Amino acid sequence: NAGVTQTPKFRVLKTGQSMTLLCAQDMNHEYMYWYRQDPGMGLRLIHYSVGEGTTAKGEVPDGYNVSRLKKQNFLLGLESAAPSQTSVYFCASSFTGGPLGELFFGEGSRLTVL
Amino acid sequence: GQQVMQIPQYQHVQEGEDFTTYCNSSTTLSNIQWYKQRPGGHPVFLIQLVKSGEVKKQKRLTFQFGEAKKNSSLHITATQTTDVGTYFCADHEIQGAQKLVFGQGTRLTINP
Repeated sequence: NAGVTQTPKFRVLKTGQSMTLLCAQDMNHEYMYWYRQDPGMGLRLIHYSVGEGTTAKGEVPDGYNVSRLKKQNFLLGLESAAPSQTSVYFCASSFTGGPLGELFFGEGSRLTVL
Repeated sequence: GQQVMQIPQYQHVQEGEDFTTYCNSSTTLSNIQWYKQRPGGHPVFLIQLVKSGEVKKQKRLTFQFGEAKKNSSLHITATQTTDVGTYFCADHEIQGAQKLVFGQGTRLTINP
């Protein structure tokens, strides 16, 4: 049981390049989230999804796009990377967004934009 | 938007000392979750508090939810080196968009 898997784990981009981060979960969870973590800023929600085919904006959505074509996968895209997007990205999933919705996190993807 | 303030941002203690981190909000919190992130690792769920005034214990860790549901705390008794990491509180929004809003975290370091 892999839980939540993120790929790639590390990536270096040049300004203006595009890339996609993949998150896969094998727990049949409905809810999936993308967070970014920066020093002193905690975890900030980028986008999230409450089910297959749905997406919604979080606190810091600008510069990112997401897709949830399959229930088990949640993709985070950067169309034109900027140095301000240098961060550690965490994907998470939960069975429900209700009171019992514990989040399971992936191991993170460290992105550097030069 | 909703904000969850966590203090202190950093705490350094001697091994064996106690540690407390506080989570505060100007608005009523829905359900508080606490997570621990080891250095270089990912956040791991510790516990969830739902009821006003709720107190839960996990070995040396004590979690409290304020009577007015505007604050929460995590207290560690007699810290050990394995307690090193960053502790986050998060408010689980129920109304409208269902998502977690995290505090900034308290980074705990321990002198053995």
